[in-house]
Amino acid sequence: GAGVSQSPRYKVAKRGQDVALRCDPISGHVSLFWYQQALGQGPEFLTYFQNEAQLDKSGLPSDRFFAERPEGSVSTLKIQRTQQEDSAVYLCASSSRPDRGNQPQHFGDGTRLSIL
Amino acid sequence: AQSVTQPDIHITVSEGASLELRCNYSYGATPYLFWYVQSPGQGLQLLLKYFSGDTLVQGIKGFEAEFKRSQSSFNLRKPSVHWSDAAEYFCAVGAIQMTGTASKLTFGTGTRLQVTL
Repeated sequence: GAGVSQSPRYKVAKRGQDVALRCDPISGHVSLFWYQQALGQGPEFLTYFQNEAQLDKSGLPSDRFFAERPEGSVSTLKIQRTQQEDSAVYLCASSSRPDRGNQPQHFGDGTRLSIL
Repeated sequence: AQSVTQPDIHITVSEGASLELRCNYSYGATPYLFWYVQSPGQGLQLLLKYFSGDTLVQGIKGFEAEFKRSQSSFNLRKPSVHWSDAAEYFCAVGAIQMTGTASKLTFGTGTRLQVTL
């Protein structure tokens, strides 16, 4: 497909379980972002990759959150020991070039995570 | 730190009426500004963007936005709304990066647009 693909679309987990969310960016896109969108809110930045390098992880809310992009394409966001406040939609976005930040980001449809 | 304010949480307009969604930003220099639209259960679709140059930018679906530096605003407009425009609209600002890295976006809380027939 031509767009950003995220899986699963929906994930339900019990509190304390670990989850892994996958993002497949647009082919050739160098930059990849993860955002968290709580109900009724705008997306909030979590972390940023340029190729395989994680250049900014300032938005990760705790050390339970971990992201990787080992080969510079697909990325995985992992949340360990999930808590109810982790319930949100997790959005992935990619952009083609990092040149001074002026490339628009293309978003996937997100993964809706519900923690019971 | 950059920030975005969308003062209107919810707006209702009649189909065919004009629309203006407000966005105010806070940033120390000239920002990159975006409007995205989100339908229920979907990701965000880019409507338009402003980087530099002409302060009136045209986007998809008949939308336009005007950058006003003096007012720190980037309001979204459409002359005639269609029922299919009902959705959540987000304004976002990106910081200029001098180090060759992409810019994370800071979003407003969104404005939900309802269109009555």
